[in-house]
Amino acid sequence: GQQLNQSPQSMFIQEGEDVSMNCTSSSIFNTWLWYKQDPGEGPVLLIALYKAGELTSNGRLTAQFGITRKDSFLNISASIPSDVGIYFCAGTSGNTPLVFGKGTRLSVIA
Amino acid sequence: DGGITQSPKYLFRKEGQNVTLSCEQNLNHDAMYWYRQDPGQGLRLIYYSQIVNDFQKGDIAEGYSVSREKKESFPLTVTSAQKNPTAFYLCATKDRVTYEQYFGPGTRLTVT
Repeated sequence: GQQLNQSPQSMFIQEGEDVSMNCTSSSIFNTWLWYKQDPGEGPVLLIALYKAGELTSNGRLTAQFGITRKDSFLNISASIPSDVGIYFCAGTSGNTPLVFGKGTRLSVIA
Repeated sequence: DGGITQSPKYLFRKEGQNVTLSCEQNLNHDAMYWYRQDPGQGLRLIYYSQIVNDFQKGDIAEGYSVSREKKESFPLTVTSAQKNPTAFYLCATKDRVTYEQYFGPGTRLTVT
């Protein structure tokens, strides 16, 4: 099935640094979602985006719905150790199954 | 306590046995999904159901079966035909209005 191109695949950062990751698609989506997964747990929804150009924040997290509707970005400011995990992007254009990226594995060095 | 329940958290089976994974939700969502997750592979869709008594194959349905007799429940059976059943299995539901999808805590199945 279709999959989104999510990058980077992994990143190692120092505590306090900002983080950026992105997702691109060959198809247009009407909704973009970002998730975080801790080891051994189910993914947790962080942010949902519904409009092209939309910028939405959730605490230190900010996500943007790309203007072309084919991409989305997630930024984490001032990272802390509990930000460690795998971040997934997902897109959909209706009541069809979400299309997921392969994830960005974030490691934070204290 | 609202949400999605998957039980058990860990499941061990011998090769050749069928095993059924439970998924229950009280979010009143029509759509439910089953995913398989292997290390480094992301999330792969096994089966999904948009409404009671209806379900569709996902990308990797071979060796799996599902039923959707009640809105709240979407059990997944891993049959002996599934060649590599050891994996982390995730159930999810989706809000038909917001398209927000929520995941259960997962079941880790080990088959030896």
